[in-house]
Amino acid sequence: NAGVTQTPKFQVLKTGQSMTLQCAQDMNHEYMSWYRQDPGMGLRLIHYSVGAGITDQGEVPNGYNVSRSTTEDFPLRLLSAAPSQTSVYFCASAPGTGEATQYFGPGTRLLVL
Amino acid sequence: RKEVEQDPGPFNVPEGATVAFNCTYSNSASQSFFWYRQDCRKEPKLLMSVYSSGNEDGRFTAQLNRASQYISLLIRDSKLSDSATYLCVVRAGRRALTFGSGTRLQVQP
Repeated sequence: NAGVTQTPKFQVLKTGQSMTLQCAQDMNHEYMSWYRQDPGMGLRLIHYSVGAGITDQGEVPNGYNVSRSTTEDFPLRLLSAAPSQTSVYFCASAPGTGEATQYFGPGTRLLVL
Repeated sequence: RKEVEQDPGPFNVPEGATVAFNCTYSNSASQSFFWYRQDCRKEPKLLMSVYSSGNEDGRFTAQLNRASQYISLLIRDSKLSDSATYLCVVRAGRRALTFGSGTRLQVQP
């Protein structure tokens, strides 16, 4: 199993550009989530999904959209990139909402100029 | 006030030392508690869950004090490979996990 994969690993955007961060898992996990990690802030939840077709907002959802058309994939879309979205983005999955063990992808480092 | 607070460190300790980290949480409805480990520029990974009675996993011991709303992690006989950032994580009910900003440990030879 590949676990949780994320692409791209690195990305540089200009302010106003849009892009999609890809996340996929091959463990048949129902729960998937997106976090951003900024220095001194810890991981903050952006959006999450408890199953295909179901998504919900986390702590910092503004400026991001998600969809969950399949169990495997959970892409994160930046609608109009801003410098404040410069961060490291982690995708995670878990067998259920009650599971402690969230499996994280390797992260995407995003720089918005 | 952050929901989960940790001393950012760094904690610089020699090999073989015992080191302890504390973490406080503000949501009294928190029911589940964990320590995650994050290596530099890598993803977080679950280190251990924290149970009310305290629990041990090899050189690592976790304690929970619900009355004072703090969690601790003790590492005995520190190894160079223990150098990492340790994230305190809590969950209230079925809500998503809430992460602390982490405590950095540097074990020196």
